[in-house]
Amino acid sequence: AQSVTQLDSQVPVFEEAPVELRCNYSSSVSVYLFWYVQYPNQGLQLLLKYLSGSTLVKGINGFEAEFNKSQTSFHLRKPSVHISDTAEYFCAVSDQYSSASKIIFGSGTRLSIRP
Amino acid sequence: GAVVSQHPSWVICKSGTSVKIECRSLDFQATTMFWYRQFPKQSLMLMATSNEGSKATYEQGVEKDKFLINHASLTLSTLTVTSAHPEDSSFYICSARRTGTTQYFGPGTRLTVL
Repeated sequence: AQSVTQLDSQVPVFEEAPVELRCNYSSSVSVYLFWYVQYPNQGLQLLLKYLSGSTLVKGINGFEAEFNKSQTSFHLRKPSVHISDTAEYFCAVSDQYSSASKIIFGSGTRLSIRP
Repeated sequence: GAVVSQHPSWVICKSGTSVKIECRSLDFQATTMFWYRQFPKQSLMLMATSNEGSKATYEQGVEKDKFLINHASLTLSTLTVTSAHPEDSSFYICSARRTGTTQYFGPGTRLTVL
């Protein structure tokens, strides 16, 4: 079984400052990793995903994440945030070998941008 | 591409009635669809996995007789909340997966049971 831990429930940052949202996972098998963003009263939008290959993954809206197998982490970063980045961010993991491909979500991190 | 819609976007119903929520993949065929439930300020909890033409697989603790799932075609899955009660009020989100690993999420349906 897999699990995901998002260490920060809320992260307040000033506009144009850099941000890192932390995510650690636990699994006995190889996994796929995802970051999703949810704006208020909306569904989820995929920011980026790691399936294999380069450990640095670039996504939409200027976000990137780095897969670190030894530390079982997949932290999300953005060098300069905007007001429009205010949202809930979910890290998620999926078992590479399961045909069901269920996604397990972390508890979420609320990113609030201050002007 | 890969757009998933849900209908209705919000619904209010009386306690004891049943509510049906539709999930459609608009521009692709979804071999598998997933139903999630999200309480306010919480994460998504997987309720069930549905494959076209077969019975849904429910997660532990989810009442299959209360949350009826039908995946009648490769583009449509429905979730029916039977005999709804106020504690069923929640945000229900579906996702659809074609081949591969990526799930595409619908915009969600907010259910309020009075």
